[in-house]
Amino acid sequence: DAGVIQSPRHEVTEMGQEVTLRCKPISGHDYLFWYRQTMMRGLELLIYFNNNVPIDDSGMPEDRFSAKMPNASFSTLKIQPSEPRDSAVYFCASSDRVNTEAFFGQGTRLTVV
Amino acid sequence: QQQVKQSPQSLIVQKGGISIINCAYENTAFDYFPWYQQFPGKGPALLIAIRPDVSEKKEGRFTISFNKSAKQFSLHIMDSQPGDSATYFCAASITGNQFYFGTGTSLTVIP
Repeated sequence: DAGVIQSPRHEVTEMGQEVTLRCKPISGHDYLFWYRQTMMRGLELLIYFNNNVPIDDSGMPEDRFSAKMPNASFSTLKIQPSEPRDSAVYFCASSDRVNTEAFFGQGTRLTVV
Repeated sequence: QQQVKQSPQSLIVQKGGISIINCAYENTAFDYFPWYQQFPGKGPALLIAIRPDVSEKKEGRFTISFNKSAKQFSLHIMDSQPGDSATYFCAASITGNQFYFGTGTSLTVIP
């Protein structure tokens, strides 16, 4: 398995634009997590899914953020409209309930100018 | 509220020395305590993990010490090497649920 795959690796966008981050979890994993990492706040959990269903989205900062998981092999995190303070590295991770180890993708570095 | 508190924020150790990073938690329902290692430009990767039924787990140069009564656990890196220079995160979870991460420790091992 190639691991958790995220795209794009880097995204630079202008304030007010819509940004969509993509994630392909490891096949067979039924938990998917979206994290945001900044120097100031460390790793913050935004939302997580179990069997494609959102379980806890209390970490989503604002209504500008939304996440979907239409099937077991794909998830998106959308920011609309984007703001400079959204600049961060966004990680997707997946885990197998039995194993519990979370496998992280390489991350998407988002810069909003 | 920070579910897992980690210290120190940064650590500088001489090559061959012992690196020690500490974490504390409040929720006694946590049953899985992993440590993640992150290199610049990469995602965190699992280094070693422990469950509360044991007090210590060792894998090579890396050891987790777990104190259930004090609700604390720590990572010890023996014979620290420059290649160990990275950011280390402790975490805690209830099996099958979300992970709570510490704020991270930036380790620098000086040759």
